Amino acid sequence: DAMVIQNPRYQVTQFGKPVTLSCSQTLNHNVMYWYQQKSSQAPKLLFHYYDKDFNNEADTPDNFQSRRPNTSFCFLDIRSPGLGDAAMYLCATSRDRGSGGETQYFGPGTRLLVL
Amino acid sequence: GQNIDQPTEMTATEGAIVQINCTYQTSGFNGLFWYQQHAGEAPTFLSYNVLDGLEEKGRFSSFLSRSKGYSYLLLKELQMKDSASYLCAVLDSNYQLIWGAGTKLIIKP
Repeated sequence: DAMVIQNPRYQVTQFGKPVTLSCSQTLNHNVMYWYQQKSSQAPKLLFHYYDKDFNNEADTPDNFQSRRPNTSFCFLDIRSPGLGDAAMYLCATSRDRGSGGETQYFGPGTRLLVL
Repeated sequence: GQNIDQPTEMTATEGAIVQINCTYQTSGFNGLFWYQQHAGEAPTFLSYNVLDGLEEKGRFSSFLSRSKGYSYLLLKELQMKDSASYLCAVLDSNYQLIWGAGTKLIIKP
């Protein structure tokens, strides 16, 4: 089945220790998104890739970086995690950013715990 | 600014019908989405409305009025597994998805 896969499902890291979250998709979608979601809040868009074109949200901290080495994979790097970065990190894909292909499909998420 | 409003929490009885409302004020409009999110899981796509009217999909229906900036999600024949948060999201003129905070739906036997 075509899907969005995130690994790991749970990640524990130490304060200030770099961590990388991964996402892969078999949908062959052009657009990939990274969201941060804290309890009982709306998902907050961090950045998205339209193919190789990287788009950073204005309020995304510099501590967060992303890489998309190919169509299928996208990574979220948190360079120096703080306690406030503990959250669910959601990867999503969409076929396009318009033309009827805007529906976003989500992976299962990675829950990050910072000790 | 851009704003999506939906009730924080609703309670309904198994087998009943519930309507979850969403109002929005966004810069442009390219469609409205409803997602279901169970606790600790990722959002799952439920519906997409871009034209006015009612879209029915099994037990779930979604309605849109663009002139009123209003949508609702109607859930019929409620089941315990429908206990979840329901998120309303609007695609703005830049094709950015603006999310509401979600409505937590509690189903009681």
